[in-house]
Amino acid sequence: EPEVTQTPSHQVTQMGQEVILRCVPISNHLYFYWYRQILGQKVEFLVSFYNNEISEKSEIFDDQFSVERPDGSNFTLKIRSTKLEDSAMYFCASSEGQGSHQPQHFGDGTRLSIL
Amino acid sequence: AQSVAQPEDQVNVAEGNPLTVKCTYSVSGNPYLFWYVQYPNRGLQFLLKYITGDNLVKGSYGFEAEFNKSQTSFHLKKPSALVSDSALYFCAVRDSSFGNEKLTFGTGTRLTIIP
Repeated sequence: EPEVTQTPSHQVTQMGQEVILRCVPISNHLYFYWYRQILGQKVEFLVSFYNNEISEKSEIFDDQFSVERPDGSNFTLKIRSTKLEDSAMYFCASSEGQGSHQPQHFGDGTRLSIL
Repeated sequence: AQSVAQPEDQVNVAEGNPLTVKCTYSVSGNPYLFWYVQYPNRGLQFLLKYITGDNLVKGSYGFEAEFNKSQTSFHLKKPSALVSDSALYFCAVRDSSFGNEKLTFGTGTRLTIIP
């Protein structure tokens, strides 16, 4: 069964540094998402991406965050200047077709630790 | 606005007994409802969804869920629990409004099946 893959599985970064989290969505999917889960808290929506542009974003997704689909397969989340509170598990997801009834399929996540 | 409540942080069930994991939701429009399961160090794995139609939906691994509009609930059930069902379960909702792509998750319920 096709899967969403994320790299790296664990990223350790100094506060203030830039970090890029990478995702390869399922190949025939058209919608892409990033979520995060701070330790012990609920999974929170960050951003959705369709047709090479952001379709929806949360209040968490401020100017330090950006997303990009640099080629036909990768989908990246960049944090420009990391803060301690950015430490979390970041999940990429994708869904096929159009419509809110399509389930989102998640990767195994990247654990981001900010020192 | 959309929200989900999972009132139980922890549910313990003896192997072979039926299990129920509770979920209630709140949306402005019609709900699209999902259950996901998370195993240790893994991402969220889609189990089942309710979009429309029959209130009882069946999903992976013998799980099913019952949509109850009057009680705004979507409880996850299984007739006979297995030890391998032990995991963290998340209920999620999406308002059916056009352009709304984000999933809102509950806080999760840790299900432990006791041999």
